[in-house]
Amino acid sequence: DAGITQSPRYKITETGRQVTLMCHQTWSHSYMFWYRQDLGHGLRLIYYSAAADITDKGEVPDGYVVSRSKTENFPLTLESATRSQTSVYFCASATSGRRLEETQYFGPGTRLLVL
Amino acid sequence: AQSVTQLDSQVPVFEEAPVELRCNYSSSVSVYLFWYVQYPNQGLQLLLKYLSGSTLVKGINGFEAEFNKSQTSFHLRKPSVHISDTAEYFCAVSASTGRRALTFGSGTRLQVQP
Repeated sequence: DAGITQSPRYKITETGRQVTLMCHQTWSHSYMFWYRQDLGHGLRLIYYSAAADITDKGEVPDGYVVSRSKTENFPLTLESATRSQTSVYFCASATSGRRLEETQYFGPGTRLLVL
Repeated sequence: AQSVTQLDSQVPVFEEAPVELRCNYSSSVSVYLFWYVQYPNQGLQLLLKYLSGSTLVKGINGFEAEFNKSQTSFHLRKPSVHISDTAEYFCAVSASTGRRALTFGSGTRLQVQP
């Protein structure tokens, strides 16, 4: 009963390097999301996915790339990390269905520091 | 598009006292409303949500919230707080149609003191 997991939990990298944050869920939820959390901003949506091979931009997508080849995985890649991408990243998932009010379940987060 | 304003960034309160965390939202369409709690170094956990029907919603850990459409508010309340309620609380909205992504407020830090 792992639920939703994220790896790594902590990451330190340097400016310009590529970084991939992993998200894995065991519920077969159709929807998955990536948020970043910064002081004073709450959580902001980076990308989301409605199903495998279907992704869409959120509020702050610049500098990030996502893919969803399998329902259970939703990796987030920082193509060339910048200091402004230092943040806490949360992955979330939600069930599909005709109703849109399904609860989103959040992973434990990844703390990323870009030097 | 939707937006959420949490009016207080920090709320200090003594143990066993009542508390209210304020949330106002803006949207051109009907919305669903949520309160999430984040304990230190953890992910977010759903406290309660308003979808439709009764405007008073009860959630976990003794929390409740009241939806006020005319004032576009969704304030969170608890009649008697415990030390263990110390956490960050986030109000969030999603449109009732279309993309189901959440728009979050900036959070309110509840600090319960003995």
